[in-house]
Amino acid sequence: DTAVSQTPKYLVTQMGNDKSIKCEQNLGHDTMYWYKQDSKKFLKIMFSYNNKELIINETVPNRFSPKSPDKAHLNLHINSLELGDSAVYFCASSLFSGNTIYFGEGSWLTVV
Amino acid sequence: AQKVTQAQTEISVVEKEDVTLDCVYETRDTTYYLFWYKQPPSGELVFLIRRNSFDEQNEISGRYSWNFQKSTSSFNFTITASQVVDSAVYFCALSPHSSQGGSEKLVFGKGMKLTVNP
Repeated sequence: DTAVSQTPKYLVTQMGNDKSIKCEQNLGHDTMYWYKQDSKKFLKIMFSYNNKELIINETVPNRFSPKSPDKAHLNLHINSLELGDSAVYFCASSLFSGNTIYFGEGSWLTVV
Repeated sequence: AQKVTQAQTEISVVEKEDVTLDCVYETRDTTYYLFWYKQPPSGELVFLIRRNSFDEQNEISGRYSWNFQKSTSSFNFTITASQVVDSAVYFCALSPHSSQGGSEKLVFGKGMKLTVNP
């Protein structure tokens, strides 16, 4: 069983489109995250949710809207995609603060 | 503010060599957590170790060992007798401790690409 799963794994889309990436964790964790890895491999947090409540919003453009229907799911919706949004997006979860963060396999988004 | 520096960007070794990956961090917190993650060519992020700032004991797990030195703010990672399968990008990361619970973000270093040649 995959602990943190995200779909789709690969996504190629045109500028201006709206797309979503879904994430689910079956670890029973309270906290979920979205991280972005750019072309230089740099990893940076975008959002963090604790029990469906937004905790961290790391100055991400409001074209990015996370949604957590329950604590096992954290989806990422992106409006009006831009070329610069091309990256790998990682979903992750942890039991609580300071605990180990487990990552999904990543979603490779390419905007053309 | 927290910061993690991995000064080496890329290292290439021959199989069976030992290799040490350096990590230096900055934080004003007295309690924090340090991590190492591995990202193989397939792209996933694999957790390797988590260390509490109060626990300076070094740790060994098979061919992997970690040296945590609070005095120099370093958390170095050594792979002994490297193998081709160790080829990956390795990330050091820092997380502050939240006394109020909730979530805290991981601050990553820029990663170090290790290539182990046969």
